[in-house]
Amino acid sequence: EPEVTQTPSHQVTQMGQEVILRCVPISNHLYFYWYRQILGQKVEFLVSFYNNEISEKSEIFDDQFSVERPDGSNFTLKIRSTKLEDSAMYFCAIPRGTDTQYFGPGTRLTVL
Amino acid sequence: GNSVTQMEGPVTLSEEAFLTINCTYTATGYPSLFWYVQYPGEGLQLLLKATKADDKGSNKGFEATYRKETTSFHLEKGSVQVSDSAVYFCALARITQGGSEKLVFGKGMKLTVNP
Repeated sequence: EPEVTQTPSHQVTQMGQEVILRCVPISNHLYFYWYRQILGQKVEFLVSFYNNEISEKSEIFDDQFSVERPDGSNFTLKIRSTKLEDSAMYFCAIPRGTDTQYFGPGTRLTVL
Repeated sequence: GNSVTQMEGPVTLSEEAFLTINCTYTATGYPSLFWYVQYPGEGLQLLLKATKADDKGSNKGFEATYRKETTSFHLEKGSVQVSDSAVYFCALARITQGGSEKLVFGKGMKLTVNP
């Protein structure tokens, strides 16, 4: 059983629409990360979230992005008004041990 | 800031060929180093890691040694298989008392192994 699931696996949306991507770890974690990978490019850090607060964010993570832990079991990444350039794979990751991150399978976001 | 530079490829090899993927890094302090692999249509999987100088990470026949003097973490495999076809990412992260900070990735290298 995977340690992390992400939903949806694929989301298609119109430019300007809001999207919410979900990450559900199999066990409780206080710390998680979001990354994105534009097709064919490198994986980029977006934000890390610890104990219900953002601990670090990249310059990509502007006011259009937000993260939440709406209940005790899942984490969300919200993009308020999607742009074409937001089309990418979005991965959440959780700590495994003290120095490793375990990645979920990703959500493919397509903005038309 | 921290950064990772790696061979970009794409690279095509024949089965049983020797593989080297170069990776160098720039970092403050002493980061942990990682190789992640992404098989077609899948997410990122940790392949191996090394947490301090001269450590060697190994998994599935792949090896990489943390070389502080050359700031490198080259990935090697003596005999590749068709199933090794994937994209390989070198990455680093600072490890603090609170755990791992963000991973910084290289651009990735696509490897295709032909039978």
